[in-house]
Amino acid sequence: GAVVSQHPSWVICKSGTSVKIECRSLDFQATTMFWYRQFPKQSLMLMATSNEGSKATYEQGVEKDKFLINHASLTLSTLTVTSAHPEDSSFYICSASPDRTGEQYFGPGTRLTVT
Amino acid sequence: AQSVAQPEDQVNVAEGNPLTVKCTYSVSGNPYLFWYVQYPNRGLQFLLKYITGDNLVKGSYGFEAEFNKSQTSFHLKKPSALVSDSALYFCAVRWGGGGNKLTFGTGTQLKVEL
Repeated sequence: GAVVSQHPSWVICKSGTSVKIECRSLDFQATTMFWYRQFPKQSLMLMATSNEGSKATYEQGVEKDKFLINHASLTLSTLTVTSAHPEDSSFYICSASPDRTGEQYFGPGTRLTVT
Repeated sequence: AQSVAQPEDQVNVAEGNPLTVKCTYSVSGNPYLFWYVQYPNRGLQFLLKYITGDNLVKGSYGFEAEFNKSQTSFHLKKPSALVSDSALYFCAVRWGGGGNKLTFGTGTQLKVEL
């Protein structure tokens, strides 16, 4: 149980375009989902926390207009990187939690490369 | 604010030898402590957690960790390392007042050699 999937697993896009990454909880309802960013050989940095049906809460320094997060259902959250630039290239990982105080279950990650 | 420190960027150990990956934390209140493992280009896999109770926590794949409140540590251990244990290990902390938001350490690369 507690499986989280991400799609796509990797994506290459051109500078200036937008790309959407999906995060799904497959066998539980996720009240809360988290989006992380990880640079090579570095730790996970929390970007934002999203609760189903409400606006995401962004961490300090994360541009909300650039990284659009939607948590429209209890099993799906999306991260859209708008007007992507090469510096947005990174490994993006989502996690999902069945409630606001529970465990986080992590997706396999999405490798974004912006050329 | 809570924080986690993993003082070693890399730990090398011979297969069959015991391994220790260190983690110290700073948090107000009672901490919830976690260890995760990450293989290349993959997400995080949960190994074990400490919330309350017995200070020695046993987890997946033969790993265990000991919560030491006086030293504010939560070191990950395994009695006999395997080459397949080679991966990136993250310690994380969550405190009761922060919902379920996790703060991660910087990670320790474990290399187990034959």
